Order: sequence, then structure tokens, then C-alpha cells
Amino acid sequence: DSGVTQTPKHLITATGQRVTLRCSPRSGDLSVYWYQQSLDQGLQFLIQYYNGEERAKGNILERFSAQQFPDLHSELNLSSLELGDSALYFCASSVFLQGGYTFGSGTRLTVV
Amino acid sequence: AQKITQTQPGMFVQEKEAVTLDCTYDTSDQSYGLFWYKQPSSGEMIFLIYQGSYDEQNATEGRYSLNFQKARKSANLVISASQLGDSAMYFCAMSWVSGGSNYKLTFGKGTLLTVNP
Repeated sequence: DSGVTQTPKHLITATGQRVTLRCSPRSGDLSVYWYQQSLDQGLQFLIQYYNGEERAKGNILERFSAQQFPDLHSELNLSSLELGDSALYFCASSVFLQGGYTFGSGTRLTVV
Repeated sequence: AQKITQTQPGMFVQEKEAVTLDCTYDTSDQSYGLFWYKQPSSGEMIFLIYQGSYDEQNATEGRYSLNFQKARKSANLVISASQLGDSAMYFCAMSWVSGGSNYKLTFGKGTLLTVNP
């Protein structure tokens, strides 16, 4: 157990739908990162939050949004889902560089 | 722009032998960190080893060591005494500071290691 909890582990949904992925960071970590891993794009950085504030955006689509709550858990919202959004979505947390970035076990999203 | 290159899409090694996975990086920053992660077929990302750009000694963690050659901008992972359980995808990654205290992490495309019995 890495200490980073992601739920759900698997999600199957239809095109056009909206889903929410949840992440609880490791205790003490203030920074949360979201990554998308697909076969053709590899690991792509989506967005980063630090202590509730958005700090950096990567290749995140406008249909996607995220937030970090006061208890530091984060949610990634994916809407108007397309087949191409099928991927493994990772959350990672860190206290800057201390100990490296710790990843959750991921949420495997399948859009049918 | 920061970039990580892993030139070996796949590697094979015999059990109990050592293997080196290549990683080169490109950055103009002086302060950065280098990481290796392992992703088995189950999908989770497992942190293996970290090297800071100012660290003078190569990082080691058990059977893993990072061969850090700063001038050549390379950060190869060496796995000694390979085990069947080492079969997995291995990712090299680099972190750097952007905009003050904001750390970013970028990944290479990975190397699929297969350990043969």
C-alpha cells in the first residue's frame, strides 16, 4: 500500500457520460498530481494542485476538470466522455522532492 | 523544454544477471531530480530510486542503482541479480522546479523488461 488511495479501481461507462475519480494523498503530502496513461500517448501530466490551489496544467482537455478539497483529497471530473478517454488515470502525491512522488494504484477507465 | 528519452522499447535478461536500462534527459536547469519507476502488469507505479542533480554519489536502493553521468545527461538504471518478478515496464522521469516552488514531473516512454528463467 503506497498510502495514496484512488477510487474506484475500475470504471466502465458510456460515451457522453460524466465520471468522477477520487484521490486521497499520502498523509502529510500537500501536492497532488493527476496523470493519464494510454497506449499511444504514454504517461501524460494533466494537472497539479498544492494545498487546495491549482499550480500547473498539462495536457488536460477542457472537458476535464479537477479540484483539491480542504482535507487535501482531490477529484478529477471527466465529462462528455469519448472512446479515446479510455485510459489508466493515476494520482500521485508528494512533499516536494522528499521521497519521490508516490503514485496510487490508478483508476482504469473504459468508455464504451 | 525538459525531455526524457528511453531508447530501449524492450530488453531481455537472464535470471540472476545484471541489466542496464538507459535514460537520457534534456534540461537547461541546474536543479532537478531523476526517478525510476516500475510498472508491473497489474498497473501500479512503484517508486524505485531517486537521484538529485547535486548528489555526487550514485543512488542505490538494494538491487537497484542509478548510474548518474551529469555531463552526459544520462541516468541509467542498473538492476543486479535479476529476478523473474523484475519483469515489468520501467519508466525514467525527471522533476524540476517551475515557477518558484512548483515541481513538475515528466516521464520517458518506458522500457519493457523481460526476465527469462
